[in-house]
Amino acid sequence: ETGVTQTPRHLVMGMTNKKSLKCEQHLGHNAMYWYKQSAKKPLELMFVYSLEERVENNSVPSRFSPECPNSSHLFLHLHTLQPEDSALYLCASSRGARTEAFFGQGTRLTVV
Amino acid sequence: QKEVEQDPGPLSVPEGAIVSLNCTYSNSAFQYFMWYRQYSRKGPELLMYTYSSGNKEDGRFTAQVDKSSKYISLFIRDSQPSDSATYLCAMSAGGGSNYKLTFGKGTLLTVNP
Repeated sequence: ETGVTQTPRHLVMGMTNKKSLKCEQHLGHNAMYWYKQSAKKPLELMFVYSLEERVENNSVPSRFSPECPNSSHLFLHLHTLQPEDSALYLCASSRGARTEAFFGQGTRLTVV
Repeated sequence: QKEVEQDPGPLSVPEGAIVSLNCTYSNSAFQYFMWYRQYSRKGPELLMYTYSSGNKEDGRFTAQVDKSSKYISLFIRDSQPSDSATYLCAMSAGGGSNYKLTFGKGTLLTVNP
């Protein structure tokens, strides 16, 4: 395990459902990230939280809503998703100004 | 021009071969460079991390950065079937409040026994 834990590992949801992805890091880091990984495309940064404050929102549709209640936990709330949102969603964390990020195993999301 | 270019492969080599993986980039502000390895159905795993130009060696892996050419490389010596994975390059301007990592698309490597 990398120290970054994501649940669930797999999720299938209908377009009208509401679900949440959870991420927990045990590394003492103070920055957390959500990335989207689609086939044949680079990882896309979605959101960044530093010290529980959102510092970046990369033009992500409002059907994705992040929440960071403390420096160890990060959520991604999902509602009314589209089939093109099907992808691997990766959580990562880093230690502030140091830029190497450590990733979780991801949640494989399928929207039907 | 994309910020980071990486040949997606696939690259197939025999066991024991020396593997060379490369990325080019256009943003001269990048100064932190990383290589990640991603096995199928897993999250990316940090393999190498370098700052600015130069070489860094860790076991069978060597990372090279040439900022003048905006070119980075990862060499794998004595490649093993367990090295079969997708290799992602990533880079950042770093420092201060700049947390953004920019990734290449990844190169799929298969090492055949």
